[in-house]
Amino acid sequence: DTEVTQTPKHLVMGMTNKKSLKCEQHMGHRAMYWYKQKAKKPPELMFVYSYEKLSINESVPSRFSPECPNSSLLNLHLHALQPEDSALYLCASSSNQGSGNTIYFGEGSWLTVV
Amino acid sequence: KQEVTQIPAALSVPEGENLVLNCSFTDSAIYNLQWFRQDPGKGLTSLLLIQSSQREQTSGRLNASLDKSSGRSTLYIAASQPGDSATYLCAVEGPGYSTLTFGKGTMLLVSP
Repeated sequence: DTEVTQTPKHLVMGMTNKKSLKCEQHMGHRAMYWYKQKAKKPPELMFVYSYEKLSINESVPSRFSPECPNSSLLNLHLHALQPEDSALYLCASSSNQGSGNTIYFGEGSWLTVV
Repeated sequence: KQEVTQIPAALSVPEGENLVLNCSFTDSAIYNLQWFRQDPGKGLTSLLLIQSSQREQTSGRLNASLDKSSGRSTLYIAASQPGDSATYLCAVEGPGYSTLTFGKGTMLLVSP
């Protein structure tokens, strides 16, 4: 099973809402990632969790709050977002961070902020 | 800072053609290079991973080569099919970099 599962697939939220994106993998991977992708652009790294600890925050605004409840789950909590935050949010995982192993991506969650 | 460039940005070919997608990177100190496929509105599917010590990897009609010293990789697609139409992204991972550094992709259209 080389699957990374993301929910929901689509999310529309107002600028005052609070919502969460969820990601799950059962490959025993210890590194999990959040990427943001705008239309016709490559993915941009947001956060990296290694062994359930936040190891990298790429200067992401605090309206995005990641959480790693356990080794299989990764959440991205959203609050007071702006319309420019509308994008495809991709979760990924790999055996370890910086291990040189394959990184597996989920199908993404399409976020629209209105 | 690592920079990854993909040429061409877009490519349109008739079905059955063999084709080559190019990827170059500025810092040869990499762990590996990975090729991904992305269909419109979808996530990334890993196609091939080449470790820095390897020269090439093959999977079905796909063959990827790596010349680390010159900072180049190519993805060769044999006998292209309309189902190959997608955006192809290459990405490198290396020491000192947080994770993958992506190129901007090559958008491929294979017409019947």
